Amino acid sequence: RKEVEQDPGPFNVPEGATVAFNCTYSNSASQSFFWYRQDCRKEPKLLMSVYSSGNEDGRFTAQLNRASQYISLLIRDSKLSDSATYLCVVSNQAGTALIFGKGTTLSVSS
Amino acid sequence: EAQVTQNPRYLITVTGKKLTVTCSQNMNHEYMSWYRQDPGLGLRQIYYSMNVEVTDKGDVPEGYKVSRKEKRNFPLILESPSPNQTSLYFCASSLGTSSYNEQFFGPGTRLTVL
Repeated sequence: RKEVEQDPGPFNVPEGATVAFNCTYSNSASQSFFWYRQDCRKEPKLLMSVYSSGNEDGRFTAQLNRASQYISLLIRDSKLSDSATYLCVVSNQAGTALIFGKGTTLSVSS
Repeated sequence: EAQVTQNPRYLITVTGKKLTVTCSQNMNHEYMSWYRQDPGLGLRQIYYSMNVEVTDKGDVPEGYKVSRKEKRNFPLILESPSPNQTSLYFCASSLGTSSYNEQFFGPGTRLTVL
């Protein structure tokens, strides 16, 4: 089982749609979880950290299920500017490295 | 402005010619790391440093060296580059490694080894 797995997509959605990304991770001892966004081979940027209680930031909602080792990201009311690759990221057990999924590509069209 | 800078941004070189990619951060971060990104493989960690003079291997360290003589700088050294090191390289830094510490990435260095 790969360390962090994501559906690569692409997800092609119209503006205003709701889209959900899923991610699974293999190391049950991981302590930190994130979603990063990457545009056109530019540097990844933190979208949001993911906490056990779930967290929301505007149109974005992240959920963590430690028992199932599953992370999700929900984007409501998609905008053209949301088009990017979304990276699911998990820390290693020691906290010395981030393990990246290969990313899910989102394309929002008008 | 708080940032991570990398130089050069683009480099084309030939097999065996030693090169160094510099990385510098102005946020007084203790943790720094190098990643490479390849199509279909995602980002993979090469080396990391928890603090000055403390470095360790990541997942793909072969063919690379690093040093951390000052807190702000973390250069990546390719002593004898080979074509399989053609990649997009990112340097990153953070205060520490907890879930509250966002990693900030540099703009990337696109390296081609002929």
